[in-house]
Formats: sequence, C-alpha cells, structure tokens
Amino acid sequence: EVQLVESGGGLVKPGGSLRLSCAASGFTFSSYSMNWVRQAPGKGLEWVSSISSSSSYIYYADSVKGRFTISRDNAKNSLYLQMNSLRAEDTAVYYCARDIVSGGGGRSGGYYMDVWGKGTTVTVSS
Amino acid sequence: QSVLTQPPSVSGAPGQRVTISCTGSSSNIGAGYDVHWYQQLPGTAPKLLIYGNSNRPSGVPDRFSGSKSGTSASLAITGLQAEDEADYYCQSYDSSLSRVFGGGTKLTVL
Repeated sequence: EVQLVESGGGLVKPGGSLRLSCAASGFTFSSYSMNWVRQAPGKGLEWVSSISSSSSYIYYADSVKGRFTISRDNAKNSLYLQMNSLRAEDTAVYYCARDIVSGGGGRSGGYYMDVWGKGTTVTVSS
Repeated sequence: QSVLTQPPSVSGAPGQRVTISCTGSSSNIGAGYDVHWYQQLPGTAPKLLIYGNSNRPSGVPDRFSGSKSGTSASLAITGLQAEDEADYYCQSYDSSLSRVFGGGTKLTVL
C-alpha cells in the first residue's frame, strides 16, 4: 500500500525551529518529486515547497522562502522540512504529498499530487 | 488571497447537480497548465478527485467530472449524495514555478 506518514509537529515559540519528517512506503520513493502543503486552522490549502527526485530542483512559496528548507534522503525513503524563524502564521497542519507530472506527449501540463499523508500539526505560540 | 478563485460555498439537494468554478489567469490555467481537483472530507487529508482537467483516478465515481476552458475550470457533481459534503479545492501550476490552489469551496448537501 502506498503510504506517507508525517511526524515532528508540535508546539513551538515564535522565532523557534522545528523539523518535520515524512516517511514513504509502498512505492519507489527515489523516482518521485515530493511536496509539502499546509492548511492553517479553518483555512484552505497552501503549497509550501517542492523537491525533485534527486534534489536537483527545489522550490518554495514566497511566504516561507529563506526560513524553511526542504530536503530528502532517498536511502531512508524520507522527506524533511526544516522550519526556522517560525511565526504565528505558520501554525497549520502540514501534509506531505507525492508529485506527478501532468500532461503527456511532449506537452507540459504542470503537476498534481496523487498521494497525501494524514498530516502533522504545527502550533507557533508563546 | 488565493491565486485561483473559487466560490466559498455551494449547495444542492440530494440527487441534484452542482458545479464549482475555478478561475485563474494567463500565468496558470490560461497558460495551458492542467487543473486538478481535491476533495477534503471533514477532519481528513485531501484526496485527489480529478487530474489533468477531466480524468478520474481509480475508485472515483463517474458522478464527478471536470472541464477546462480558457482561464477557468469547473467541477461538476451529479446525483448529489450526503457523503459528497466536503471541501473541494482546485489546483494548477503557475509560470512562477509554484503549485497554486484555489481558496476552496464548501459543498453542503441540503
């Protein structure tokens, strides 16, 4: 069974740091790009960051650029999100999601997320 | 403010048909990037519902369908059922190299 399991969430003070992990199983992790997506309480989904299969390409949302770092360890089938200088507005459920290329036949249709974890909760509060 | 615009809420009676719109711009949907839809049941993680504008993953009922035209896309649900009550999100890709989501639409089954 294809599965993603996030961990590492918790309560942290503003300005603090936290490292999230996502353990993948049931598929060849090293063949897929991966994403972090977050959802603030009562709000919608917000894409946070993406990393290519070999870590060659990394992208961030403007809201986290310079504070968050995405990484992966293909030998351990794991995805990570290092979060520094945390703010109250970073409070959210953080999901990891597998990335799939959309389109075909030479057409670039962008990307979508076909498998999601259950999420881990990050609360930034004093 | 989400990059893609969705109505905050829609509603319909059991058995009816409802549609949810998703409006983007020339840098995302209008640039030719596909639109995808996710269903989020209360208290659960999002689930892929439609990919590549109109394709259903295995296990998704054919009551759900998607379409795209110009800078907009739509999700249609026919034969509405109580279990369809959820939040629905559209997603695309933007020329700024980011995945973008709509703000979400809450579907209420009356």
